[in-house]
Amino acid sequence: GQQVMQIPQYQHVQEGEDFTTYCNSSTTLSNIQWYKQRPGGHPVFLIQLVKSGEVKKQKRLTFQFGEAKKNSSLHITATQTTDVGTYFCAATGGSQGNLIFGKGTKLSVKP
Amino acid sequence: DAGITQSPRHKVTETGTPVTLRCHQTENHRYMYWYRQDPGHGLRLIHYSYGVKDTDKGEVSDGYSVSRSKTEDFLLTLESATSSQTSVYFCAIKGTGVYEQYFGPGTRLTVT
Repeated sequence: GQQVMQIPQYQHVQEGEDFTTYCNSSTTLSNIQWYKQRPGGHPVFLIQLVKSGEVKKQKRLTFQFGEAKKNSSLHITATQTTDVGTYFCAATGGSQGNLIFGKGTKLSVKP
Repeated sequence: DAGITQSPRHKVTETGTPVTLRCHQTENHRYMYWYRQDPGHGLRLIHYSYGVKDTDKGEVSDGYSVSRSKTEDFLLTLESATSSQTSVYFCAIKGTGVYEQYFGPGTRLTVT
């Protein structure tokens, strides 16, 4: 079945450093979504990308969808302690448009 | 938070006992989902519903059943709990956009 691979699994950064997580698929994706889960919390929808080469920004977060629609990235500029959590990508698959989640990248930020 | 509640929030049960988890939404969303989250596995779909009495299996449905008799409630039942079903269970609804989902606060289930 369709899979989305997410790397790295863990990332430890010093506050102020940048952070990037990558999501890859062997098949063309119709769209890609990103979610953030704070420690002890639930996944929260951040954004959806649908167009080839699309770039969207939310303050210090930049989301990109690859030209071939097989990969995506989330980049955080100048991380803060509030960025701590696990970031998941997800793509739609199956007849009902269910989401297939990557395994997530856990970000820790050292003050 | 899309008006989603889950109950109970925490439960400890013994192997072999039946367990029912409840997801309740207040905004009349058609699609509802049950996921489990385990370290190293991310979020995996157990069952989903696309309307009252309309349900289907997800990736990891063995050992689980669901029911949806009302739009607002989606129940997940473990007929005979096993230790491998110790997990955090999240309910979600499909939002009004294209495919985004909104999650409930989760239920932490421990099977001893």
